Amino acid sequence: SQQGEEDPQALSIQEGENATMNCSYKTSINNLQWYRQNSGRGLVHLILIRSNEREKHSGRLRVTLDTSKKSSSLLITASRAADTASYFCATPGLGGSGDKLTFGTGTRLAVRP
Amino acid sequence: KAGVTQTPRYLIKTRGQQVTLSCSPISGHRSVSWYQQTPGQGLQFLFEYFSETQRNKGNFPGRFSGRQFSNSRSEMNVSTLELGDSALYLCASSPGTANEKLFFGSGTQLSVL
Repeated sequence: SQQGEEDPQALSIQEGENATMNCSYKTSINNLQWYRQNSGRGLVHLILIRSNEREKHSGRLRVTLDTSKKSSSLLITASRAADTASYFCATPGLGGSGDKLTFGTGTRLAVRP
Repeated sequence: KAGVTQTPRYLIKTRGQQVTLSCSPISGHRSVSWYQQTPGQGLQFLFEYFSETQRNKGNFPGRFSGRQFSNSRSEMNVSTLELGDSALYLCASSPGTANEKLFFGSGTQLSVL
């Protein structure tokens, strides 16, 4: 079963615009991660935010986490055609080593040149 | 460092056959996780191995099995293939815990005819 649900399912924007995608999850977490997947390929880790952090930046990426609402958002600023991909949030349960990551349903982002 | 290597990249099998997929993790990584990705179900966790021991298992039938060798390389096996087993199978490695940053391979695309 999916732990995270991404919203929107699909997003189409013009190059240079910002893209925002949201993730909601169900159980308590100690971290939340975002991954990118180009069509038919493996996932690439983008950023990890811990439960005691509210915001984190990495280059053009900005992630926020609201544990009271069990939600996170990923903002990509000044998007490029190369950002076209699917984006997934992923959460572990609480439980230390041996736990697993559960992935959300993903947001398909298309950036038009 | 070389990334996670999965072989083969593509595989076509017929119903009833069995298949073995291989994954070589990043050097020094001891945890290997396997995921199944389909358009309908998204990314589903299969199992995770650490130091040759299965630490965690998802909700898949017993036809799905795996193992890990002393050099951390891992294999997964699917017996008595069904049409619904057609999917992208992804392997991911990490140094220790499986609930922080994962490094994914490019996947094996399995088609069952």
